[in-house]
Amino acid sequence: DTGVSQDPRHKITKRGQNVTFRCDPISEHNRLYWYRQTLGQGPEFLTYFQNEAQLEKSRLLSDRFSAERPKGSFSTLEIQRTEQGDSAMYLCASSHRTDGAYEQYFGPGTRLTVT
Amino acid sequence: QQQVKQSPQSLIVQKGGISIINCAYENTAFDYFPWYQQFPGKGPALLIAIRPDVSEKKEGRFTISFNKSAKQFSLHIMDSQPGDSATYFCAASSGNTGKLIFGQGTTLQVKP
Repeated sequence: DTGVSQDPRHKITKRGQNVTFRCDPISEHNRLYWYRQTLGQGPEFLTYFQNEAQLEKSRLLSDRFSAERPKGSFSTLEIQRTEQGDSAMYLCASSHRTDGAYEQYFGPGTRLTVT
Repeated sequence: QQQVKQSPQSLIVQKGGISIINCAYENTAFDYFPWYQQFPGKGPALLIAIRPDVSEKKEGRFTISFNKSAKQFSLHIMDSQPGDSATYFCAASSGNTGKLIFGQGTTLQVKP
């Protein structure tokens, strides 16, 4: 399977704990995006990378959130001191430029539940 | 100005009918308009996308109609099937960032 993969698919954690999610993009896609989706809503942009450089972060991404993409391959999203409001689906999208636009292909997501 | 407004929130269509979902935007800098299909517990899947230099794009049973002057675009699903029952999201992006601004979603139910 050459699609975007995310791990874990589900994570249940207690408030105050740290969690880390991983995204493996489609190979040779130089862009990688993170989004957050809450129940009944569309995904909201969090941050994106071009190769290993993080180029933009949403104001939704508080200082408890950090993302990395070492060597421009897989990416990790870490949430420190989780809060109940962090419960959501975290989506990763892999992208390449096609016809002047960045087509984005999403992974299956990681569903986070903070208790 | 960053919003994309989507309607209706939910839609019920009979098998074989046409499903129509509409989106409107304010930011004239948007230059890429994709539609995504999402099944419960899955990530969104890219269905079809359009750039503002064309007014219509068709792929199989799916058609995007784009009205640049009205700042509106819509998804038409012809010959709707029960397997099309899902949540559909429109989105828009601009410039070099490519970050997508999503609509609120439309839950489509196709009755057999």
